[in-house]
Amino acid sequence: AQSVTQLGSHVSVSEGALVLLRCNYSSSVPPYLFWYVQYPNQGLQLLLKYTSAATLVKGINGFEAEFKKSETSFHLTKPSAHMRDAAEYFCACRGAQKLVFGQGTRLTINP
Amino acid sequence: DTEVTQTPKHLVMGMTNKKSLKCEQHMGHRAMYWYKQKAKKPPELMFVYSYEKLSINESVPSRFSPECPNSSLLNLHLHALQPEDSALYLCASSQDLRYTEAFFGQGTRLTVV
Repeated sequence: AQSVTQLGSHVSVSEGALVLLRCNYSSSVPPYLFWYVQYPNQGLQLLLKYTSAATLVKGINGFEAEFKKSETSFHLTKPSAHMRDAAEYFCACRGAQKLVFGQGTRLTINP
Repeated sequence: DTEVTQTPKHLVMGMTNKKSLKCEQHMGHRAMYWYKQKAKKPPELMFVYSYEKLSINESVPSRFSPECPNSSLLNLHLHALQPEDSALYLCASSQDLRYTEAFFGQGTRLTVV
């Protein structure tokens, strides 16, 4: 069964620093992978998706992710963090008729 | 329009009340979902509808009753809830069950007193 694992439940970076949120997947078939962001008391917003086209995927708000089959990874990055990036981030993969979510990573931005 | 609209945004209900959560999308999507999310946890799938028919029920207690009146609407009827049912309830939709992405609403914050 497809699953994703997010490494680190909490990541803290300084404003302007690189953001790196880690996600590894487990899938017996080529996966569909997603990153979602959730701001406090709001729903989930799709940041980007991988659907077996380009391995480097660009999303909204300056985020991007690289699919690495050899490492079974789909890490999320942003070159320069902004205060507004503080939120919960979920990696997800497509399972049978549903999304399978990781446990989430809370991103804190220090001024 | 990539919007999924949920009403109400907040709901406080007693354990003997009956209430309903509503979800609407106008993207022509044929799959719709209810998720429950507790604090600091990922969303947990409750129900999946495909072409207005219930496709998945993740062993949800019968005090939660979903309904899909048409392809744009999804309801969640609530009756005799418990305080532990307090959570953020999220609706989502996708083109169909072979989707490449799902779109989420802003959620209903439910408090059971």
